[in-house]
Amino acid sequence: EIVLTQSPGTLSLSPGERATLSCRASQSVSSSYLAWYQQKPGQAPRLLIYGASSRATGIPDRFSGSGSGTDFTLTISRLEPEDFAVYYCQQYGSSPTFGQGTKVEIK
Amino acid sequence: QVQLVQSGAEVKKPGASVKVSCKASGYTFTSYGISWVRQAPGQGLEWMGWISAYNGNTNYAQKLQGRVTMTTDTSTSTAYMELRSLRSDDTAVYYCARDLNSIAARPKAFDYWGQGTLVTVSS
Repeated sequence: EIVLTQSPGTLSLSPGERATLSCRASQSVSSSYLAWYQQKPGQAPRLLIYGASSRATGIPDRFSGSGSGTDFTLTISRLEPEDFAVYYCQQYGSSPTFGQGTKVEIK
Repeated sequence: QVQLVQSGAEVKKPGASVKVSCKASGYTFTSYGISWVRQAPGQGLEWMGWISAYNGNTNYAQKLQGRVTMTTDTSTSTAYMELRSLRSDDTAVYYCARDLNSIAARPKAFDYWGQGTLVTVSS
């Protein structure tokens, strides 16, 4: 099983700031089968990024993904009030697994 | 528009079974696989398994092998997840989620999600 470790656990930022979230895999993720999701309290997760860097339908371009192999990054260029949430990475190169999440909170 | 509508909340005793349904609409059901993902209270996401609505092939998480069964009814565009021998640590919100890519041979990223079904296991 591929273990995904997200850092930091919590990110305290102000609206308008840049957020950089990390996801590290215990072994290489094949074909960059890495996705990012946003989850708000009481809601289902929402797909943001798939294939490490492709934005899902309707996702604003302030969200971007990068990386390959074992190191991946989600960047939110300028935080909007609605972006404060928990973010999960997921690999689907083998049996899917999720990271433990990064909470982006208002500073 | 694509929708996945799940069945309502359940309360079960330890050792019992639960079966959660996920009714799909707005797309060709047999063209996409469905995964089930659960989330214990205050915790992260755990992938449970996947079923191809195209041919019924399944792929279960190793830790749940033998306790979980996923099925589909193509006549009603509904996916089902049954979990047996319930324990207290099975208390969670259970989500169904659709594959991003059609006719996939294995689970992918998930572009549409159900609203979640809370399953509470308590004596």
